[in-house]
Amino acid sequence: GESVGLHLPTLSVQEGDNSIINCAYSNSASDYFIWYKQESGKGPQFIIDIRSNMDKRQGQRVTVLLNKTVKHLSLQIAATQPGDSAVYFCAESPSAGGTSYGKLTFGQGTILTVHP
Amino acid sequence: NAGVTQTPKFRVLKTGQSMTLLCAQDMNHEYMYWYRQDPGMGLRLIHYSVGEGTTAKGEVPDGYNVSRLKKQNFLLGLESAAPSQTSVYFCASSYRPDGNTEAFFGQGTRLTVV
Repeated sequence: GESVGLHLPTLSVQEGDNSIINCAYSNSASDYFIWYKQESGKGPQFIIDIRSNMDKRQGQRVTVLLNKTVKHLSLQIAATQPGDSAVYFCAESPSAGGTSYGKLTFGQGTILTVHP
Repeated sequence: NAGVTQTPKFRVLKTGQSMTLLCAQDMNHEYMYWYRQDPGMGLRLIHYSVGEGTTAKGEVPDGYNVSRLKKQNFLLGLESAAPSQTSVYFCASSYRPDGNTEAFFGQGTRLTVV
């Protein structure tokens, strides 16, 4: 079946560096993409989202890039801080009108560790 | 504003027992989801609902049933618990998954089946 997956399960960076977390998706009907952060013992928290009619979206210290040609999504975190250490998940949702409309599917996750 | 509330937070079941996990949201969201998360893995969708009175199967629906009798509540039932259902269960809700609105998650229910 179609799925959302991540290239790297772990990523270690030094405080102050920029981090890039990648995600590959295979569902060409995906229309909406979201990045979540999950800290230990907590539920996932929304970071940033992007729709398929956009290539880039910026938030506070975070940027999401979408390459529909190769079905690739990335999350860039600027000036990574120890508080950014968590598991990061990408998720995707298909467009309206499809049989799976409303279904929100998550990728495997990447563990980000930020060293002081 | 409580957001998404899951009860219970922890539970231990014996194989074959049944139980219901309750998810309540106070944000008037249309969409609600139940996921399970196993060690080292992402969240896998069990069932979801796009509105009151509607439910749909996710990726791993076997062994679970759900009901959405009220818009604010989404119940997940295990009719006959199995050790393979030991997991952390997360409920989430969103206004619309395709709009620029996020899904809000509960704190999770840690279920152990012995």
